[in-house]
Amino acid sequence: DGGITQSPKYLFRKEGQNVTLSCEQNLNHDAMYWYRQDPGQGLRLIYYSQIVNDFQKGDIAEGYSVSREKKESFPLTVTSAQKNPTAFYLCASSIAPGTAKGYTFGSGTRLTVV
Amino acid sequence: DAKTTQPPSMDCAEGRAANLPCNHSTISGNEYVYWYRQIHSQGPQYIIHGLKNNETNEMASLIITEDRKSSTLSLPHATLRDTAVYYCIVRDYSNYQLIWGAGTKLIIKP
Repeated sequence: DGGITQSPKYLFRKEGQNVTLSCEQNLNHDAMYWYRQDPGQGLRLIYYSQIVNDFQKGDIAEGYSVSREKKESFPLTVTSAQKNPTAFYLCASSIAPGTAKGYTFGSGTRLTVV
Repeated sequence: DAKTTQPPSMDCAEGRAANLPCNHSTISGNEYVYWYRQIHSQGPQYIIHGLKNNETNEMASLIITEDRKSSTLSLPHATLRDTAVYYCIVRDYSNYQLIWGAGTKLIIKP
C-alpha cells in the first residue's frame, strides 16, 4: 500500500547535537511538508517542497534544514541552533500544491532532547 | 494565524450524531474548507473537503452555509473510535498551505 513512512518513531538527542528525521513516500506526490506539533497545539509549518531540488521556509524554519534530492524523500535536520526542539514532528505529502486534494500524513517522530 | 474558529472541546454519546461547528468568516471565494482528525500521537487523517456545496463520503458529511462563513462536520453515528481532535482548516490560496488551528477535542462517551 502507498503511504508515508517516518522514522524513527521516538528519538532522543543530547543538547548541542544535530539529528535528522527521515520521511519517505511512495505515493508519487510532488509536494512534501514538515510540521511541528507541541502539546495541545495545532500544526506549525517548518518547511515545504513543491518539487525536487526546491523548498521554501514555513512559519518556524529557524534551527531546521531540509533537502529534496529525490521525489520520494524529504529529510529534516534539527540543528543545535533550534532552541526548543522537543516536539512531535509530522511529515506530509500532497499530489501537487495547486490541487484541492488533501494531505497524507506519516505517523510522526517524537523528538526528546535530554 | 488560523482562519478558522472552533470550540475547544465537545462531548457526544455513542451512536448519536456528532456535529462539529467551524467559523471561517474571512474565507475567500476560491478557498476550500478541509476537515482532518488526529487520534492521540498519530498523524492527522483527512476526512473531507468542500468549496460551496455540501459533501458526503463514507466518513462524514460537510455542510457549508450559503454565505460560506461557517460549516459543520457531521459524523452520523459516532463510535468510541471517533474520539479525536478535529481540525477545520482553510487553505491559503497564495501558497496553497493549510493553516491549522487548535481544533476541537471530541470525546465520544459510552
